[in-house]
Amino acid sequence: AQTVTQSQPEMSVQEAETVTLSCTYDTSENNYYLFWYKQPPSRQMILVIRQEAYKQQNATENRFSVNFQKAAKSFSLKISDSQLGDTAMYFCAFMKHVLDYKLSFGAGTTVTVRA
Amino acid sequence: GAGVSQSPRYKVAKRGQDVALRCDPISGHVSLFWYQQALGQGPEFLTYFQNEAQLDKSGLPSDRFFAERPEGSVSTLKIQRTQQEDSAVYLCASKEGPGDYGYTFGSGTRLTVV
Repeated sequence: AQTVTQSQPEMSVQEAETVTLSCTYDTSENNYYLFWYKQPPSRQMILVIRQEAYKQQNATENRFSVNFQKAAKSFSLKISDSQLGDTAMYFCAFMKHVLDYKLSFGAGTTVTVRA
Repeated sequence: GAGVSQSPRYKVAKRGQDVALRCDPISGHVSLFWYQQALGQGPEFLTYFQNEAQLDKSGLPSDRFFAERPEGSVSTLKIQRTQQEDSAVYLCASKEGPGDYGYTFGSGTRLTVV
């Protein structure tokens, strides 16, 4: 079984500043997928960004970027120019490969953006 | 529909009562999933359907939990004789097919067992 660990239960950031969320995982697989999901109070899980393990280049989506360190099994999320609408719970998730349908989630990090 | 729709949004059940939670996936999505999210935790896998076939039910916590998708579209998660530890948010997700990693989640049903 895959284990996903998010060691920061809560993070607070001033609007327009940058915050970095950490995630580590444990797997014996070589090819896999990593995701960051955002869950606002509406409860719907929204995909923020994904990374394929075979790609060395870090994924970027607008203000969101990741630092993927495969050897260290680390997958951190950086939110730049934080906005009030970024306030939510963020989950790191792992999928063994695209045909393996199960997502394994970490416990989440609550991010609060202060005005 | 445009998204994954779940109903009811909230459900309060007395201990011992049976409940049924509904999921209406995106039209045409072959794969459907149920996840259970305890308070302050990440979601945990319950079960997976490909069309009407339930291919994996390894995450169902007990035989009180039962899921079906008889026509390959709408799915129902049923919990019999609810207990307090069943209190959680139940999330449904769908995706186009096995080779697609683009999950779309619903907003979940928050079940509270009193």
